[in-house]
Amino acid sequence: KNEVEQSPQNLTAQEGEFITINCSYSVGISALHWLQQHPGGGIVSLFMLSSGKKKHGRLIATINIQEKHSSLHITASHPRDSAVYICAVGGRRQGAQKLVFGQGTRLTINP
Amino acid sequence: GAGVSQSPSNKVTEKGKDVELRCDPISGHTALYWYRQSLGQGLEFLIYFQGNSAPDKSGLPSDRFSAERTGGSVSTLTIQRTQQEDSAVYLCASSLITGERYEQYFGPGTRLTVT
Repeated sequence: KNEVEQSPQNLTAQEGEFITINCSYSVGISALHWLQQHPGGGIVSLFMLSSGKKKHGRLIATINIQEKHSSLHITASHPRDSAVYICAVGGRRQGAQKLVFGQGTRLTINP
Repeated sequence: GAGVSQSPSNKVTEKGKDVELRCDPISGHTALYWYRQSLGQGLEFLIYFQGNSAPDKSGLPSDRFSAERTGGSVSTLTIQRTQQEDSAVYLCASSLITGERYEQYFGPGTRLTVT
C-alpha cells in the first residue's frame, strides 16, 4: 500500500462544478503539500499545511491530522483548472523536507 | 525575482553515456531537492541538500547517480552509464527553511531520454 493515496485518479467535470480531491496518508507528517502540474509539465505549489484549512481564491485545502486525510476543493471550476493535482507529505520519519508523493489526480474541466 | 532554473530542458543521450543535469535554485534558498518523474509514474524523491548538512541521498536509485551542490547554490545531478530506465523528467526544487515555512518551489525540469 502506498504511503500516500489519492482519489479519484481521474476526474472529469463540467465548468462551474465544485471539485473535491482527496488524499490519505499512512505516515506521521509535519506538513502536507498540494501541487498542480499542468500539461506542459510545470509544477506549482498550491498549498502547504499542517493543520486546519487554507484558502487561495477558488482553491481550498483542508487537513485532518487525526484522520490522516486532506482534501483539495475547487469552487466554480474552470477549464484552466484542468491539470494533475498531486498530494505530497513531509514525514517526521523521513525528515520534514523530504516529500512522499501521491500518484496524482488528473482533473479535466469541460466548458 | 527569478525562479528555479534547470538546464538543459531536454537531453537525449545514448545508453552508457554519462549526463549532467544542472539546477540553479532561488537565490538565498538553503534547501535544494532533486526529484524524478518517470513516464506514467508519480514523483519520487532522489536527494536533498540543506545548508551545510550532509545531503540525504536515500532516494538515489543506484550508485550511478550522484549529486553535488557547490557553494550552497548550484547543484549538479550526474548519472553515469545511463540506462533506458533512467529516462524521465528530473525536477529540482528549492526552499527557504525558516521556522515552519519550507514551501518548495519547483523548476521546469529536464526531460532525459536514453536511447
